Amino acid sequence: DAGVIQSPRHEVTEMGQEVTLRCKPISGHNSLFWYRQTMMRGLELLIYFNNNVPIDDSGMPEDRFSAKMPNASFSTLKIQPSEPRDSAVYFCASILRRGQTSPYGYTFGSGTRLTVV
Amino acid sequence: AQTVTQSQPEMSVQEAETVTLSCTYDTSESDYYLFWYKQPPSRQMILVIRQEAYKQQNATENRFSVNFQKAAKSFSLKISDSQLGDAAMYFCAYRRLQGAQKLVFGQGTRLTINP
Repeated sequence: DAGVIQSPRHEVTEMGQEVTLRCKPISGHNSLFWYRQTMMRGLELLIYFNNNVPIDDSGMPEDRFSAKMPNASFSTLKIQPSEPRDSAVYFCASILRRGQTSPYGYTFGSGTRLTVV
Repeated sequence: AQTVTQSQPEMSVQEAETVTLSCTYDTSESDYYLFWYKQPPSRQMILVIRQEAYKQQNATENRFSVNFQKAAKSFSLKISDSQLGDAAMYFCAYRRLQGAQKLVFGQGTRLTINP
């Protein structure tokens, strides 16, 4: 398996522009997570999905952020409009969840480094 | 809410020596998972080791082992025979056993290996 695939690896955009980050989870995994990593706040959960349904989006900073999972093999995180404070590394991770739990650790993608200038 | 604390922002060790990274956590639950993740300069998050709270035996993976003290809510990582490739950020993380599967991370410890 190719693992969790994120694109792009790097993104530089101007303030006010729309940014879309993409994630392909591991085939068969049914939970997907979006994390943001910054020096100041560390790794923080933005949103997660179970079976393509958003379960907890309390970590999404504000209405400028939105996430979708139209099918089991694809998710997007969109920022519109982007601001310099959104600069961070954004990770996607997936896991196989059986029932109410999973004995496994996450598999992370390589992350997208976003720079908003 | 659960919290994870890593009190050592940076650590260094001589190659081939042993180093221990500290982690404490706070939870009211009795069953949960604890993890150590490694993040090298490539920024890939790599699972190093996992511990189930209901198991008394400490987890071991080759040169990596943990000291899990449930009553003290402590979960330290010991790296034996340190190698240059062990240089990375190390994150301690907590996850509930049931229900929400989100990981709660500590702030990380940057480990330097001196040749």
